[in-house]
Amino acid sequence: AQSVAQPEDQVNVAEGNPLTVKCTYSVSGNPYLFWYVQYPNRGLQFLLKYITGDNLVKGSYGFEAEFNKSQTSFHLKKPSALVSDSALYFCAVRDNIDSWGKLQFGAGTQVVVTP
Amino acid sequence: EADIYQTPRYLVIGTGKKITLECSQTMGHDKMYWYQQDPGMELHLIHYSYGVNSTEKGDLSSESTVSRIRTEHFPLTLESARPSHTSQYLCASSERAWGETQYFGPGTRLLVL
Repeated sequence: AQSVAQPEDQVNVAEGNPLTVKCTYSVSGNPYLFWYVQYPNRGLQFLLKYITGDNLVKGSYGFEAEFNKSQTSFHLKKPSALVSDSALYFCAVRDNIDSWGKLQFGAGTQVVVTP
Repeated sequence: EADIYQTPRYLVIGTGKKITLECSQTMGHDKMYWYQQDPGMELHLIHYSYGVNSTEKGDLSSESTVSRIRTEHFPLTLESARPSHTSQYLCASSERAWGETQYFGPGTRLLVL
């Protein structure tokens, strides 16, 4: 079985400061990991994913995430947050032994960036 | 932005009415999905499809039904809407490949009175 946890319901950060959104996962095989962002009244937008290779993945809008197999984590990071980064962020995982490809989403983390 | 469309974007309807939420994608993706999401909450998979004439129920039990007659089209139908169906419905699609990305439509926000 696969699962994903986002331990923080909300993250508050001042504009210009580093932003980190945490995600941990559990899978039977190896993980495929994804980050999405959702703005109010919108669908989810894909930010980045880890499939294999370099543990540091760079994505859209200056975001990056680091895959840490020993800690089973895939935290999302941005060096300098913008007010426009305020949104709901979802981590998702898929077990690579799942031939169908169903994603398990976390509960989401609300990011609030203050000016 | 991904080429996946949902209509209507907002729908207010009375109890007992039949409704169909439309989802179309122009990317030629084999796999399509319907998720239910209460505002600001996690997503729950309610239906998915491998391809034409393939439909499966997801993790969350739903009274809705789906069909997949054409690759690009994956409508969701509620035969008799109830207030408990009030939610946001998100459609997504992906290629048939390992590690593929799901791309989401803008969602339909449904309110059943």
